[in-house]
Parts: sequence; structure tokens; C-alpha cells
Amino acid sequence: QSALTQPPSASGFPGQSVTISCTGTSSDIGAYNYVSWYQQHPGKAPKVMIYEVTKRPSGVPDRFSGSKSGNTASLTVSGLQAEDEADYYCSSGAGSNNMLFGGGTKLTVL
Amino acid sequence: QVQLVESGGGLVQPGGSLRVSCAASGFTFSDYYMAWIRQTPGKGLEWVSNIVHSGKTKNYAESVKGRFTISRDNAKNSLYLQMNNLRAEDTAVYYCAREFFYRYDHWGQGTLVTVSS
Repeated sequence: QSALTQPPSASGFPGQSVTISCTGTSSDIGAYNYVSWYQQHPGKAPKVMIYEVTKRPSGVPDRFSGSKSGNTASLTVSGLQAEDEADYYCSSGAGSNNMLFGGGTKLTVL
Repeated sequence: QVQLVESGGGLVQPGGSLRVSCAASGFTFSDYYMAWIRQTPGKGLEWVSNIVHSGKTKNYAESVKGRFTISRDNAKNSLYLQMNNLRAEDTAVYYCAREFFYRYDHWGQGTLVTVSS
């Protein structure tokens, strides 16, 4: 199975909103509501920001939101802050107890 | 608090073997699925393998099937990944992660495995 497709980069000014897409197929994103998003700062382990498409773990700011339409999931970061600059990865269940990750998107706060 | 600490990474020659370990604390280890996820230097994440609570069911990515074996010791709160017939493309940081309903809610700091002659 191929990795999920994400744009390599995204950017926005402080206070703006940015949306990162994650495209899969009808066998992964389209089939399951198990899409998660992870934030990774340089030299750190990933941290889950969104799970089950739209849910936020406790402690994650409500500026982070997720959605899904068909085979594409999206992460929106509203009211961009400097500390949001990081790499973001999507993941999805893919059947047969496998998981897929996206290639990652580097978010730059201008 | 939940802690996952990987160990055992290092330099190994192509075709060689290595076992990485993950020591878990701060939660009831036997209640959770566990997983290994790797990240090649400067690149993205790749799911490698996971194992159910009891250890009876194990799943692998196609890229490692037949070469890697995941296991756990619930009495020791430990997760393992035995890697055989290693290839250059297996070079990566290997993360241990706690899995909960298809999400990884806690990660270790990772251990670097380098496959090179």
C-alpha cells in the first residue's frame, strides 16, 4: 500500500488559518473514520493532535480541527501561532490491521 | 506519567541482526496494543508493526514481513523488535508507541538504527 499524499509544505502568517490535506483511497481514508494527525517539532517525537477524524485530545488547543470528505482528510490550524511551526503527518487505518502515514507537511509560520 | 524508553539501536552491517527494546511505565502495559513506527532521516513516518495486548496477534508492514518480529513481555512491561537480514533502507529512527483505537497517543524518544558497511 502507498503512503497517503500530503503537500510537502504549507505556510501562513500569524493569526491566519491554514489547511493541510491528506489524500488516500477508498481502502483507507475513505473506508475508516480512523484518521489521525500528528505534530512533530525538530528532534522530538510526534504528538497526536487529532484522532478519529475530528476529535482533539485533552490539552490540544481548539485552534486545531480535522475533517474528512471522501478519500481526503484535512487538518485546519486557525489563528496561527509561531509554535505551530512544525511537521504534520496524517495517518489512517488501512485494513488488515495495517496503518498508513502521509509523507508529511512542513508548516511555516511567516 | 506514561513513559516509553527505547534502547538497543546502533550500527549494523547489511544482512545483520539487531533487537531494539522499549521499556514502558506509568500505565497498565498489558491493557494496550503497542506498535513500532520508524522515521528515515529527514523523511516521513512509516508504520512497521503492531501487537495486541496478549501478544497473540502481530501485524507487519510488507516491507519488513518475514524479516522483523515483534514481541512483548507483559510481566516486564517491555516491547521488542527483532530485526534480521537488515538492509540499508531499514536505516531509521525506530519509535515505540502506545496504540489506542488506531491512534498513537504516546511515543518514545526513538532509537537510531543505522545499516551500513
